[in-house]
Amino acid sequence: AQRVTQPEKLLSVFKGAPVELKCNYSYSGSPELFWYVQYSRQRLQLLLRHISRESIKGFTADLNKGETSFHLKKPFAQEEDSAMYYCALVSGGYNKLIFGAGTRLAVHP
Amino acid sequence: DAGVTQSPTHLIKTRGQHVTLRCSPISGHKSVSWYQQVLGQGPQFIFQYYEKEERGRGNFPDRFSARQFPNYSSELNVNALLLGDSALYLCASSSGGGNTGELFFGEGSRLTVL
Repeated sequence: AQRVTQPEKLLSVFKGAPVELKCNYSYSGSPELFWYVQYSRQRLQLLLRHISRESIKGFTADLNKGETSFHLKKPFAQEEDSAMYYCALVSGGYNKLIFGAGTRLAVHP
Repeated sequence: DAGVTQSPTHLIKTRGQHVTLRCSPISGHKSVSWYQQVLGQGPQFIFQYYEKEERGRGNFPDRFSARQFPNYSSELNVNALLLGDSALYLCASSSGGGNTGELFFGEGSRLTVL
């Protein structure tokens, strides 16, 4: 079964600390994975996708097929990073996304 | 551009009633998808429409139906409402029907079933 697991509901860190939001997936074939973010009072939006290998707002994510993981990392967290983060997997021949349950990142001053 | 717009933003219904939710995609986007987000969970795929045709359907009962109009706007209909249908319903649009994974979401319609 295709599935995305985010084991942490809440991740609480202090400003300047490193952050790693965990994401594991189950998928047969070559997965395409994404991180979506929802800031307070804003709509859900795409943060980054694995295929573009980009860094957005200091965040990076590497696809590890051996560990079936796509963890989101940032070396120094900022207060404005506080948000809900969802890992997602695209499935099927159309734009169907399978989302994890999400991790709330709280960055304290 | 206002982005994806959804209406109504909030509504309350009773069990057994019917509800219609509406969505207008970003101008130029031809694909609309619907997701259900129950409290504490991630969004769950319901439907995708592209060029007015259903391209995909999630694991939802037949009480859920949708359609897309010539102007690419969309409606999600839910019949015979159950308490478990209480959720945030998200609409998302994309420019094409393929697997880009890039969706632009609306703010959602929050449905409460009493």
